[in-house]
Amino acid sequence: GENVGLHLPTLSVQEGDNSIINCAYSNSASDYFIWYKQESGKGPQFIIDIRSNMDKRQGQRVTVLLNKTVKHLSLQIAATQPGDSAVYFCAENRAGGSYIPTFGRGTSLIVHP
Amino acid sequence: GAVVSQHPSRVICKSGTSVKIECRSLDFQATTMFWYRQFPKQSLMLMATSNEGSKATYEQGVEKDKFLINHASLTLSTLTVTSAHPEDSSFYICSACRDRKNIQYFGAGTRLSVL
Repeated sequence: GENVGLHLPTLSVQEGDNSIINCAYSNSASDYFIWYKQESGKGPQFIIDIRSNMDKRQGQRVTVLLNKTVKHLSLQIAATQPGDSAVYFCAENRAGGSYIPTFGRGTSLIVHP
Repeated sequence: GAVVSQHPSRVICKSGTSVKIECRSLDFQATTMFWYRQFPKQSLMLMATSNEGSKATYEQGVEKDKFLINHASLTLSTLTVTSAHPEDSSFYICSACRDRKNIQYFGAGTRLSVL
């Protein structure tokens, strides 16, 4: 079946380091991807999105890279801070007209001060 | 930014009672809202898509008579867990899409504990 998966369930980094969170997707027809951040006990928050006609998009301290050849998505966080500690999900646009996202397994990012 | 309010944030109830969870889009109209369930340390599982003025579309395996969804206005969707049992204990999250950007704005979630 179609799915969006994550390579690493947990990522531990030191404060100030750069973090890279990966995501693999299997639906080659997906054309829109979003990264969400979920802090403990809260709902997910939008971080950044990218369409399939792009391979890179930058935001504030975050960069999303899309490699359609290998169906891989990554989220890079520069100068990681303790406040970045959360679970990060990628989501892809499921085909069918209206947007119904499929969420990946999630990666827990732990930032050590 | 778009704000989605979810209430209550936490509810503890006895087995057999029904629990209603509200999801409101505070500063935009949402023709479509989504309801998710999340178990500890797991991903979000889509339960149903709530459409204003029409019946909800349930995902496979989700009992529509157990999880009643009403979307009576463009800013409010409700999820009622009927005759709740301990296995229904979970974190329930709603979301809404604003305009056509397909970005989901999530509520803060409701922690349901059924004793």
